[in-house]
Amino acid sequence: QSALTQPASVSGSPGQSITISCTGTSSDVGSYNFVSWYQQHPGKVPKLMTYEVNKRPSGVSNRFSGSKSGNTASLTISGLQAEDEADYYCCSYAGSSGYVFGTGTKVTVL
Amino acid sequence: QVQLVQSGAEVRKPGASVKVSCKGSGYTFSSYAMHWVRQAPGQRLEWMGWINAGNGDTKYSQKFQGRVTITRDTSASTVSMELSSLRSEDTAVYYCARNNVGTSFFDYWGQGTLVTVSS
Repeated sequence: QSALTQPASVSGSPGQSITISCTGTSSDVGSYNFVSWYQQHPGKVPKLMTYEVNKRPSGVSNRFSGSKSGNTASLTISGLQAEDEADYYCCSYAGSSGYVFGTGTKVTVL
Repeated sequence: QVQLVQSGAEVRKPGASVKVSCKGSGYTFSSYAMHWVRQAPGQRLEWMGWINAGNGDTKYSQKFQGRVTITRDTSASTVSMELSSLRSEDTAVYYCARNNVGTSFFDYWGQGTLVTVSS
């Protein structure tokens, strides 16, 4: 099972919106609405930000939103803030193959 | 509150095995599954496998099939992951992550355990 493809880096200025893409295949992202996104600050534990494509856990800011079209899922961060600077990973259920994570995206707040 | 507490850092020689444990508290242990995810230095997250803490069913990533074994001890609310035939590329932080059976996301994570493989 190959990793889902994410851009290595995305940047934006405070207050702007950015979108991170996550491209898989018809065996994972394309077949299931089971995509989740995780935020990881350096040296820290990953934190769940969205799940089942576009749902948000309690306590996560509504500035984070997820979507999906075909084999590509996306995470949009609106009103970018300094604290959003971190690595972001998508993850998809992949049926009999289990789960697969993305390659990771470093978000930089300019 | 939900907590997943993992065992401490380990150092092993190539060819050896390592066993990492993860103790859950603050929730009904047998109602959830536990997954193992690893992260090599500077690298991405990588899913290894999972166990249904209720019935003991397991599933492993094809990449680790034959080298990884995940077990649980319901009396101790603990899940363990053993990785054998270690090589230098297995040097990584290993995380346990909780998942409600029937859902597809990991809501709580352990603090991580660094496993170093070096001769």
